[in-house]
Order: sequence, then structure tokens, then C-alpha cells
Amino acid sequence: EDKVVQSPLSLVVHEGDTVTLNCSYEVTNFRSLLWYKQEKKAPTFLFMLTSSGIEKKSGRLSSILDKKELFSILNITATQTGDSAVYLCAVIHRRYNFNKFYFGSGTKLNVKP
Amino acid sequence: DAGVTQSPTHLIKTRGQHVTLRCSPISGHKSVSWYQQVLGQGPQFIFQYYEKEERGRGNFPDRFSARQFPNYSSELNVNALLLGDSALYLCASSYQGGQGSSGANVLTFGAGSRLTVL
Repeated sequence: EDKVVQSPLSLVVHEGDTVTLNCSYEVTNFRSLLWYKQEKKAPTFLFMLTSSGIEKKSGRLSSILDKKELFSILNITATQTGDSAVYLCAVIHRRYNFNKFYFGSGTKLNVKP
Repeated sequence: DAGVTQSPTHLIKTRGQHVTLRCSPISGHKSVSWYQQVLGQGPQFIFQYYEKEERGRGNFPDRFSARQFPNYSSELNVNALLLGDSALYLCASSYQGGQGSSGANVLTFGAGSRLTVL
């Protein structure tokens, strides 16, 4: 059965800390892995990773994919209170003529001042 | 530009009732997907529609149905509501439904409809 597992489930850090969020997957017909940030309701897109070993970077956030070991990490450096959110990892399973997204349960990040 | 819009934002129903949730995709997006997110869990795939055709269905009972209209908006219908149907229902749109470049398939989510079944 296809699945996506994220760890840790929750994390409490202080402003300025660096955090690493993990996402492992077992998904057949892998197409891409995506990271989303969910603050209140709508998840917002952060990164899409398709190739192994190529780091995607946006400001203090970065992410990398390892297709051999079937995992991805999301790093956040110099955390701020505005980074507090649930971070969702999703993997696209390519199926016939559509992409099925499998989501993990998310990592809840709480950044304290 | 307007993002993905969903209505209603909140609703309360009782067991056995029926509910209709609505979604308008981003202008130009032809694919709409529906997800159910139970508290503390990640979104779970319900349906995907592309050009008014159902492209995929998740592991949900037949009480769940959906359709897409010529203007690409969509409705999700749930019949005979159960307590376990209480969740945030998210609609997401993308430019394409599965073919083409990866970027064309990134999902953009609406703010969701929070359904409470009593």
C-alpha cells in the first residue's frame, strides 16, 4: 500500500533554531514530492522535487530528495514565529492519466519567541 | 487574481442529512480535486476531475459523489452523513490533470469547508 510518513509529528523550538523535517515514502510510479505549509486552512505550496540530490531553496527554507533511499528533508534555518505551522509532505503517484497525491500526516512546528 | 474559492466555509449538519460543497478553481485551471482532512491527519484524496470527466476516485464510499461543470467549477456531494464525515474538505485546482510538465500539476488549495456532523 502506498504511504507517506512524516517525522517528527510535532516539534517545539525557539526563534533562531534550525529544524529538519523528515518525509519518507513508499509510493509506486513516483512522479514528484511536494512540501506544503498549512497555517490555518489552505495548504500553501513550498517546493516540488523530482530529481535526486538537487536542493531547492527559498529564503531560509531548503529541501532535497533522495530517490534511492525514498526520503526528503525540509530544512528551516533561523526559525521565526511565523514559521509555526503544519508542514505537509505529498508524493505524486502517476496513475494512468492522472496524478494521485498521497499526503503524510504532517509535522506540527511551534516556534516560540 | 482570485485563488481557489470554496463555499460554504463552515456548516453543521445532523446524521443522515445531505451536504453539497462548492469550489471555483483558479481561472485557467481545468482540473479540480477534492480532499478530506480529518483533524490531526493529512489530506486524503477523494476525487479528481479534468475537463468535466472523473479521472480518479479515492477509497471513499458511494455516498460521496462529485461533478465538474463546463466553467470548471465543481461540487462535492455527501449523502447520509455520518459522524465520521466531520472534517475539513479541501478543494484544489491545477492547470492540468496529470499529463504535461510537473509544474502544471501542482495543486493550489482553497481554504476549505469545515463540516461538522452532529
